[in-house]
Amino acid sequence: QSVLTQPPSVSAAPGQKVTISCSGSSSNIGNNYVSWYQQLPGTAPKLLIYDNNKRPSGIPDRFSGSKSATSATLGITGLQTGDEADYYCGTWDSSLSAWVFGGGTMLTVL
Amino acid sequence: EVQLVESGGGLVQPGRSLRMSCTGSGFTFRDYHINWVRQAPGKGLEWVGFIRSKAYGGTTEDAASVKGRFTISRDDSKSIAYLQMNSLKTEDTAVYYCTRFYNGNYIDYWGQGTLVTVSS
Repeated sequence: QSVLTQPPSVSAAPGQKVTISCSGSSSNIGNNYVSWYQQLPGTAPKLLIYDNNKRPSGIPDRFSGSKSATSATLGITGLQTGDEADYYCGTWDSSLSAWVFGGGTMLTVL
Repeated sequence: EVQLVESGGGLVQPGRSLRMSCTGSGFTFRDYHINWVRQAPGKGLEWVGFIRSKAYGGTTEDAASVKGRFTISRDDSKSIAYLQMNSLKTEDTAVYYCTRFYNGNYIDYWGQGTLVTVSS
C-alpha cells in the first residue's frame, strides 16, 4: 500500500479535462512540496509539476497542479491521445524520512 | 543537456551482490543530491534512497525495504554515483533509475533506467 493514494485509473475524451487526486497526510503532503511525474509507455518518468504548482520549461500550460491541506491535484485540459500515460505524485514524508510516491494513475484518452 | 546514465544491471542470483553506477553529465555533479528509484515489472515507482551533495554532508537516506542491504555512495571527481546492492532478493527485480534530486524537493531529471533481474 502506497503512503499517497491515487485513483488507479481515469479516462476522458480528447479535448476534455481530467483531474487526478493524490491524498496523503500531515507528515507528507501537508507539510512538503508535491511534484507530479508522467511516464509514457516504455519510457522513464518525466517531471510535470514541481513545488505543488510550477511547470518546468517545456511543459505546456494544459498541465496544472494544486494543493490543499493533505491533498494535491493534477489537472490536464485539452486532452490529447499523446497524454495517455501513468501519472505519479511524490513528496517527502517527514515522519518516515523517506521520499514517497503515489501508486500511480493510468490515464486513458478515449 | 543534463544526462544520467545507469550501468551495471543484469541477471544475478538471490543472495548475491551487484553494484550499479550512475554517470552524470551536463551539470555540476557535486552540487546535486542523487536519488535512486526502482520500478518492478508492471508496478509503480518505489523510492530506494538518495545521497546528499557534499555541501549537505554527503549523507544518505534509504527506504526501509533496502536498509542494511543497499548502500549509496558517490565519487564527485568522476561524476558517478553508486548503488551497492547486497543480499539481493527476487523482489528486488526491477528497472532501477538514477535521478537528480533537486534540493530534496523533487526529481528533475531521470536516467533511462537499467534492469536488474534477481533469479536463480
